[in-house]
Amino acid sequence: EAGVVQSPRYKIIEKKQPVAFWCNPISGHNTLYWYRQNLGQGPELLIRYENEEAVDDSQLPKDRFSAERLKGVDSTLKIQPAELGDSAVYLCASRGGEQFFGPGTRLTVL
Amino acid sequence: QKEVEQNSGPLSVPEGAIASLNCTYSDRGSQSFFWYRQYSGKSPELIMSIYSNGDKEDGRFTAQLNKASQYVSLLIRDSQPSDSATYLCALENSGGSNYKLTFGKGTLLTVNP
Repeated sequence: EAGVVQSPRYKIIEKKQPVAFWCNPISGHNTLYWYRQNLGQGPELLIRYENEEAVDDSQLPKDRFSAERLKGVDSTLKIQPAELGDSAVYLCASRGGEQFFGPGTRLTVL
Repeated sequence: QKEVEQNSGPLSVPEGAIASLNCTYSDRGSQSFFWYRQYSGKSPELIMSIYSNGDKEDGRFTAQLNKASQYVSLLIRDSQPSDSATYLCALENSGGSNYKLTFGKGTLLTVNP
């Protein structure tokens, strides 16, 4: 069984540029999460989807972050414009009883 | 008080010893508890889950949960250098179908050959 797939694995951009991350969850997992992990910290939830509905986006900085999960499968997280403080690893996870993480996207904003 | 507290370490143990990792939490409504292992530059990998008080063993790993004391621990027996990683404690309060994981900062474990 394939795990959670994310792309790209690494992204380097200049501040004020837009960036997008893509996630494909484990087949059959209706719950999808986006987390942000800063160095030396545990992952922090940005948004949770149940199928195509965002049921918890209280921690998503909505002025610059957006997410979508069309058709309840793949999901995209976007940042526009990116700031220096957005440099982090962005993790996607899906849940079918327990949560499993994808490999993450390491974002560097210069 | 932070929701999930872990000693950041580093915790250093010799090969073959028992490594003991500890975690305390503040939300008494927490129902599910997890230990994730994270190697440097990699994503978290689920290694143990525990839902009821007591011990749960899986190979060299034992998770212990005490809800009255709001304490969960992970024991690694016969520690190997390959166990060197950051161990993240996470809890889930699934009340109201809020399946959200809250993580601690993690404990860095180093197993010395």
